Amino acid sequence: EPEVTQTPSHQVTQMGQEVILRCVPISNHLYFYWYRQILGQKVEFLVSFYNNEISEKSEIFDDQFSVERPDGSNFTLKIRSTKLEDSAMYFCASRWERENYNSPLHFGNGTRLTVT
Amino acid sequence: SQELEQSPQSLIVQEGKNLTINCTSSKTLYGLYWYKQKYGEGLIFLMMLQKGGEEKSHEKITAKLDEKKQQSSLHITASQPSHAGIYLCGADLQGYDMRFGAGTRLTVKP
Repeated sequence: EPEVTQTPSHQVTQMGQEVILRCVPISNHLYFYWYRQILGQKVEFLVSFYNNEISEKSEIFDDQFSVERPDGSNFTLKIRSTKLEDSAMYFCASRWERENYNSPLHFGNGTRLTVT
Repeated sequence: SQELEQSPQSLIVQEGKNLTINCTSSKTLYGLYWYKQKYGEGLIFLMMLQKGGEEKSHEKITAKLDEKKQQSSLHITASQPSHAGIYLCGADLQGYDMRFGAGTRLTVKP
């Protein structure tokens, strides 16, 4: 069964450094997402992406964050200058469609980001 | 707010017992999804409900969406240690991408 893959599984970085988290969504999916989960807390929506542009972003997704689909398969999340509070598990997800509300999100296994 | 309320926050049951987890929204749920998460891992899709009154089952897990489409329940029959994990409801609310409840942590004691 097709799956969403994320790399790396664990990333350690120093405060102020830039990080890029990578995802390969399921190939025929059209909508792409990033969520984050701080340890022990809820899964929080960051951003959705469709047709090569952001369709929705949360208040968490400030100017330090950006997303890109550089080619036909990868979907990336960049954090320009990491802060300690960015330490979390970041999940990529994709779905086939959205308008009819009958397509579940498929999640990757996440990238654990640790900012020191 | 797109808040989804889940209850209870945590649940400890003896193996073989039945249990129910609830998910409530103040807005109409256009699509309601149940996921399971094991510690440190991704979310695994369990079931999807769309229509008011709809009920779906998979193995020993049954999920329902009430007629008004503002509440869903997940029921596990004869729980097993393999059912342990965090259960999350996710919802499509009109105009917003999928949001999740805070999760219910289920422990099943052998």
